[in-house]
Amino acid sequence: AAGVIQSPRHLIKEKRETATLKCYPIPRHDTVYWYQQGPGQDPQFLISFYEKMQSDKGSIPDRFSAQQFSDYHSELNMSSLELGDSALYFCASSLSLTSVTGELFFGEGSRLTVL
Amino acid sequence: SQQGEEDPQALSIQEGENATMNCSYKTSINNLQWYRQNSGRGLVHLILIRSNEREKHSGRLRVTLDTSKKSSSLLITASRAADTASYFCATDDSGGGADGLTFGKGTHLIIQP
Repeated sequence: AAGVIQSPRHLIKEKRETATLKCYPIPRHDTVYWYQQGPGQDPQFLISFYEKMQSDKGSIPDRFSAQQFSDYHSELNMSSLELGDSALYFCASSLSLTSVTGELFFGEGSRLTVL
Repeated sequence: SQQGEEDPQALSIQEGENATMNCSYKTSINNLQWYRQNSGRGLVHLILIRSNEREKHSGRLRVTLDTSKKSSSLLITASRAADTASYFCATDDSGGGADGLTFGKGTHLIIQP
């Protein structure tokens, strides 16, 4: 079965550069979530989209932005990168169940290293 | 403060033994979910328990939920070396909408062969 696809899997950037991560959700899933996971940390919710509209916002820095496109894929744009942005970035998708968040399907993540 | 705090943070047991991990949370929830993560990999959903349920089973997994204590436990019976991973609880608060799940700190489980 198709899973959530994330690209790139690994990315190395210098401080103050920009980075873009892509996510392709499972077909027919209408909700996409972005999470950031630092080394040895729990995943932190960044932002979510439902039917291409921003649904909820978590601890996403102002330097980051995201959007969901007409084909439901999503991109996370990160600018003015800082050393502390080094982390695993996960995308997850789900099929919304009214107002309840059900099972999330996670991609394998994009590992960003900022030097 | 962090929703979903797990304990213990790390657990090492012998293969064949049972492993119990606990999770506490702070707000009202719609459901509580448990996820597994192998090192550096994506999270995999294990089981979901709704706020009106008290216990749920799935194979070797048993989850309990006590909403009065705002706590949950995950029991893995007859552990196997392949169960070595980090386990996270995650809560969907009752705020409605496509909110992100809030994850706890996780328990790193090591099964000694």
